[in-house]
Amino acid sequence: SQQGEEDPQALSIQEGENATMNCSYKTSINNLQWYRQNSGRGLVHLILIRSNEREKHSGRLRVTLDTSKKSSSLLITASRAADTASYFCATRAGNMLTFGGGTRLMVKP
Amino acid sequence: DGGITQSPKYLFRKEGQNVTLSCEQNLNHDAMYWYRQDPGQGLRLIYYSQIVNDFQKGDIAEGYSVSREKKESFPLTVTSAQKNPTAFYLCASSMALAGGPRNEQFFGPGTRLTVL
Repeated sequence: SQQGEEDPQALSIQEGENATMNCSYKTSINNLQWYRQNSGRGLVHLILIRSNEREKHSGRLRVTLDTSKKSSSLLITASRAADTASYFCATRAGNMLTFGGGTRLMVKP
Repeated sequence: DGGITQSPKYLFRKEGQNVTLSCEQNLNHDAMYWYRQDPGQGLRLIYYSQIVNDFQKGDIAEGYSVSREKKESFPLTVTSAQKNPTAFYLCASSMALAGGPRNEQFFGPGTRLTVL
């Protein structure tokens, strides 16, 4: 079974708007990572947040982590058409990463 | 040009055949992984290896086999025992399997396998 579950499964916004994706997980984690996948391609690592961190920024990306609620969110600000992709959260517990089902983001120009 | 490569990009298999998917990395990473992705789904772990000549089953290892004879290479064989092999297969590598906060994985471009 998947450790992380993203919400929503699909999101469609206009260019310039912000996009927020959420991830919930079930067990204690060491860190949580977000990855991006363009259609038919491999995944690319975006950002990692440790279990003792609450918020992290990288360019237009902002990630929050609430370990008490076992949830994380990824915010993409001022979205661009090139941000169109699937976004996955992955949780690390012990030695392995477990991926969620992903959020498919479409940014309309 | 460092990275992780997979070949072929597309692969067609007849029922009953074994096929081998290639994965090579020049990142000097110790750990390597194979994932399966079905349409609109997340990734499921097939096998992983943290060191040469050692590998472990993931969540869905049945019908698959791997080898790790060289640090750079981690080929995956999809055997005839895998009843529903049509999927997108992704190989990844990381510096180490465990330890430290940085366990990000680097992914190859994937191989799309179709059973005819």
